[in-house]
Amino acid sequence: QKEVEQNSGPLSVPEGAIASLNCTYSDRGSQSFFWYRQYSGKSPELIMFIYSNGDKEDGRFTAQLNKASQYVSLLIRDSQPSDSATYLCAVGMDSSYKLIFGSGTRLLVRP
Amino acid sequence: EAGVTQSPTHLIKTRGQQATLRCSPISGHTSVYWYQQALGLGLQFLLWYDEGEERNRGNFPPRFSGRQFPNYSSELNVNALELEDSALYLCASSPQGSLQPQHFGDGTRLSIL
Repeated sequence: QKEVEQNSGPLSVPEGAIASLNCTYSDRGSQSFFWYRQYSGKSPELIMFIYSNGDKEDGRFTAQLNKASQYVSLLIRDSQPSDSATYLCAVGMDSSYKLIFGSGTRLLVRP
Repeated sequence: EAGVTQSPTHLIKTRGQQATLRCSPISGHTSVYWYQQALGLGLQFLLWYDEGEERNRGNFPPRFSGRQFPNYSSELNVNALELEDSALYLCASSPQGSLQPQHFGDGTRLSIL
């Protein structure tokens, strides 16, 4: 079992719709959770981070965390073609300081 | 505020050579992390430096090494280059503290011929 799992996609949504990206993780000791956006040929860009159960909103983005289910998600409201990218879920553990990345979900927003 | 800077942008080497990649963290960040992103393999953790010390390393052979300087900048050295070392090497920095978000530089693309 992979430590951080994501559906590779592509996830295709029409412009203006809500895109829902999901991630599961295997280590119950995980403490911090991050979403990065990566355009083709570019480096990852931090979008959201969340540490506690529940929802965290920032503009069009909402991160959701459920530690009991070992599940973290990212919602993108009013999706735009410029949101088309690969979204990487990353999980951190207090003991090691390193981030474990999922393989990413490719999002395609159709105009 | 300047972000994480990496140099060079591209590096072309041949098998058996040695490569040196450089990274300057965001001002005020003391932790530097190195990741490898090979085609189709996702981001893999390589090394973590903090306060000049190597704190953790990933599942990579010893020919991957590095150091952190007193100004918190860092070097990644890869010896005896192999074809499979071709990848994008990403440096990230964060303030000290395990739960702090890591911010990435633009990366160095290393190509082995």
